[in-house]
Amino acid sequence: QKEVEQDPGPLSVPEGAIVSLNCTYSNSAFQYFMWYRQYSRKGPELLMYTYSSGNKEDGRFTAQVDKSSKYISLFIRDSQPSDSATYLCAMSAPQGAQKLVFGQGTRLTINP
Amino acid sequence: DVKVTQSSRYLVKRTGEKVFLECVQDMDHENMFWYRQDPGLGLRLIYFSYDVKMKEKGDIPEGYSVSREKKERFSLILESASTNQTSMYLCASGGGSTDTQYFGPGTRLTVL
Repeated sequence: QKEVEQDPGPLSVPEGAIVSLNCTYSNSAFQYFMWYRQYSRKGPELLMYTYSSGNKEDGRFTAQVDKSSKYISLFIRDSQPSDSATYLCAMSAPQGAQKLVFGQGTRLTINP
Repeated sequence: DVKVTQSSRYLVKRTGEKVFLECVQDMDHENMFWYRQDPGLGLRLIYFSYDVKMKEKGDIPEGYSVSREKKERFSLILESASTNQTSMYLCASGGGSTDTQYFGPGTRLTVL
């Protein structure tokens, strides 16, 4: 079993829809949680960062962490065609030497 | 603004050639990382470095070596390129109190 599981999709939704992207993990030591967005043929860019449990909002994006369920989510409101990309979750543990464990990524397409 | 640059966007090499991939960051980060990204396999860590002249093996170091002579520069070396090293290579840097990493644009390497 992988340490981090993420549905690779592909996921296709109409413009304006609310998108929910999710990851589950098995290591209870994970404390830092990140979401990266990767456009085709580009490097991943950091989208959201959360420490421990709770919600964090940034514009149309909300990151949610539920440590009791070992489950993290990224919500995108009012989705736009420019949100079409692969979204990767990543996480790490304290004393983890800043090594990140990544999900496989979910490919998302927003249809105009 | 955070900046990680990689020496080439696209590279084509022949089997058996020695290949150098270079990465430079301007954020004064202590940590630097090399990953490869392949469809269906996600991001896999090859090597990382905590400091100048320090290096640690990641999950798939075989066939690769690294060099970090200056804090801002981290090189990945393929001593004798093979076709199974055809991949997207991504460099990242990170540091400070969070575990966030910042990625370069990637080098798409093809070994013929």
